[in-house]
Formats: sequence, structure tokens, C-alpha cells
Amino acid sequence: GENVEQHPSTLSVQEGDSAVIKCTYSDSASNYFPWYKQELGKGPQLIIDIRSNVGEKKDQRIAVTLNKTAKHFSLHITETQPEDSAVYFCAASRGGGADGLTFGKGTHLIIQP
Amino acid sequence: GAVVSQHPSWVICKSGTSVKIECRSLDFQATTMFWYRQFPKQSLMLMATSNEGSKATYEQGVEKDKFLINHASLTLSTLTVTSAHPEDSSFYICSADEPRGNSPQHFGDGTRLSIL
Repeated sequence: GENVEQHPSTLSVQEGDSAVIKCTYSDSASNYFPWYKQELGKGPQLIIDIRSNVGEKKDQRIAVTLNKTAKHFSLHITETQPEDSAVYFCAASRGGGADGLTFGKGTHLIIQP
Repeated sequence: GAVVSQHPSWVICKSGTSVKIECRSLDFQATTMFWYRQFPKQSLMLMATSNEGSKATYEQGVEKDKFLINHASLTLSTLTVTSAHPEDSSFYICSADEPRGNSPQHFGDGTRLSIL
């Protein structure tokens, strides 16, 4: 089955700086890669996703890049703000949103004021 | 936007009892819903895929007789933890994807289950 590795497990950055979180996956048939933000005691909230037919996607301060050859994808957050502090999970699946997701272990992002 | 609601948000019960958790898609119909489990400070692990009108598909290692899933309508899936024990204490989260193509999964806010 699919295996998703996520790094780092904890990331501390100064407010206003950029944050990058990286994930690798093992199943070459995976074609859908969402990123979720989870706050304490809540369910994950989708922040951005990318499909295998594109290499990059951007939404305001958030961007995701995908390298299918190397089987890795990354989340980039620019101009970080205190409210960006949370746990971020990457995930992968074969069938778009119609298949169960395999999640990475999560990254605890801490924005230092 | 698509909203998924879970109920209850928190439940405490005695060992040996059964607990039912509901997952509803509020503004869309979901032929497929998913159930995940998350232990403290860990990732989400897929337990099962719930298909409307048919049997659920369980992931390897998940006991189907212990975690009963029913998806009786296009907006409701239920997970029943039968004869719950302290090791079943966890955060249970459901998700659903919209019927339109290339739609993402939307997650509920989870149910914190504590078995005493």
C-alpha cells in the first residue's frame, strides 16, 4: 500500500518568514495530493490540493509543488502569520477525493511573533 | 461550501458499552464516506470506506465486527463501536467527498471517545 513520509515533524519560524513542509510518497499510481491544517480538537481542514497533471498550484500565500518523477510534493507558506500555527498533514490517494487518503505523520508549525 | 457534521463531539462511557457516532453531509449527497481514527499526537489512519446502500470496506487490521458501519442514506453514515474498551479511546473523524468529479474530501470535526 501507499506510504507517505512527512518532514519536519516540528517547524518553528519567525512571523513573516516562509515555511516549507515536504512529503514523499511510495505508490506511483497516486494521483491526488491534498494538504490539511488541523487545529487542536478539530477535524482537518483542506487548505490546498494538487493533482498529478500539474506541477504547481498557488492560492494567495499558500503553494504546493509536485515532482512526480521523484515522488515528492511540498507545501510553501509565505508571509507567515500567528494564525498559521497548527498541525499540517499531507496526504495521497489514487482516486482523487473518491478514495481513502493515506496521511503523513504531520508537522507542527509554530509561528514565533 | 461543503459541510460535514459529526455527532456527538465528545462521549465518555463505561467499558463494555456500545457507542454510535453519526456523520452527516449537510449540503450535499455523499455516496462515499470515510472513517478515520487518530490517536493523540498521531496521524489519521483510514479505518473503512462507507458506501451508501452496500457493505463497508475495511482496512487491514480493522475489526469489522467491532466497528460497525451503516450508510443508509446519501447524507448519513454511522460508526458503532461495539463492546468498547479503554484501548478504543481515540478521536474518530469522518469525511465525505462531493459527487462532482475531482472533488476533495471534507472532514467533520471529529468525535472524542473516552472509555473508562
